[in-house]
Amino acid sequence: EVQLVESGGGLVQPGGSLRLSCAASGFTFSSYWMHWVRQAPGKGLVWVSRINSDGSSTSYADSVKGRFTISRDNAKNTLYLQMNSLRAEDTAVYYCARDLDTDYFDYWGQGTLVTVSS
Amino acid sequence: DIQMTQSPSSVSASVGDRVTITCRASQGISSWLAWYQQKPGKAPKLLIYAASSLQSGVPSRFSGSGSGTDFTLTISSLQPEDFATYYCQQANSFPPTFGQGTKLEIK
Repeated sequence: EVQLVESGGGLVQPGGSLRLSCAASGFTFSSYWMHWVRQAPGKGLVWVSRINSDGSSTSYADSVKGRFTISRDNAKNTLYLQMNSLRAEDTAVYYCARDLDTDYFDYWGQGTLVTVSS
Repeated sequence: DIQMTQSPSSVSASVGDRVTITCRASQGISSWLAWYQQKPGKAPKLLIYAASSLQSGVPSRFSGSGSGTDFTLTISSLQPEDFATYYCQQANSFPPTFGQGTKLEIK
């Protein structure tokens, strides 16, 4: 059974940093591109970042470029999102998601809430 | 970025009804469209990809159609577990973008 389990969310002050993790199991993690998608409270879904299967290629939404870094450790079956210079507008539930094929998302984690507030 | 616009934003229906949700892209996306279902406090679930391909395990009462700029998600006979919010998403151009969602409520 495919499982994605996020962790690392919490309350952080504006300008602070946080690292999210997504532990994968039930599939060959190293064969799949992976994504982060976020959802602000009461709002819709917004794509954040993606990484290819070996970690050599990454992409970001303009809103997080230069502040967020996606990475992965295929030996540990874990996806990461390093978030720096956090802003109030980054407050959201962050989901990791597996890429089915060219930016379709077939499995999602349960999400981890990041709250940026003083 | 490609803008995705769903209509209606909310709809009320009864168990057994046929419901159609529409998604329009701001430019042509061929058939690069997915539909997701999200229930409160839960992660989204992929229902349809490539506009009309049913994801494994999804009931056949869900169907998708369309190409270019106009797409529809149809639920042929609503079941109690179908009341949720539905999102479309384009995968034709970077970055992937979602519609604003359609909330399907019980009448």
